[in-house]
Amino acid sequence: KAGVTQTPRYLIKTRGQQVTLSCSPISGHRSVSWYQQTPGQGLQFLFEYFSETQRNKGNFPGRFSGRQFSNSRSEMNVSTLELGDSALYLCASSPSPGQGALNEQFFGPGTRLTVL
Amino acid sequence: GENVEQHPSTLSVQEGDSAVIKCTYSDSASNYFPWYKQELGKRPQLIIDIRSNVGEKKDQRIAVTLNKTAKHFSLHITETQPEDSAVYFCAAVEGGADGLTFGKGTHLIIQP
Repeated sequence: KAGVTQTPRYLIKTRGQQVTLSCSPISGHRSVSWYQQTPGQGLQFLFEYFSETQRNKGNFPGRFSGRQFSNSRSEMNVSTLELGDSALYLCASSPSPGQGALNEQFFGPGTRLTVL
Repeated sequence: GENVEQHPSTLSVQEGDSAVIKCTYSDSASNYFPWYKQELGKRPQLIIDIRSNVGEKKDQRIAVTLNKTAKHFSLHITETQPEDSAVYFCAAVEGGADGLTFGKGTHLIIQP
């Protein structure tokens, strides 16, 4: 079974631009979560999608948004990029939401975003 | 929201010795506590997890303990090997939510 895939793997943008990142979950997984990883702040939860609906959202500004398609693939968008948005963006998939059941999150390789 | 503190930030141990990483959490409703290992340039991978109805869990050289009263949980690695060198993250899930709240990570260095 193929793992979680993310595209692109690397991206360079300039301040003020916008960017869209893509995540394809493991086949059969319907929940996708997004995280931002930086040296200073570590891993921070952005949002989670299940059945095309955002279930939870972390403490990030409205410039960060996402969506999920009917095939469970997810995209996240960052508008009006700032230097501080430079980070590794990781998505993770699980069979269904909720940690009450055995729902290990499997991470993708990440997209390294550099904002100049 | 949930807050997870992780210590130490860097841990250096001799090969063959044990390593212990500790985390505390703030939300008493949290009920799931996974540990992830991230090697340089790679994605985080789950190595062990524990749920709030269990006090300890072992998997070969790795064990996790949970003290719900004190709101802390720890990762224990015995007989450390060079391949254990990585950054380890603890996490907690706030009751009713699904996003993982991570600790800041521990860089474990295994000295030959």
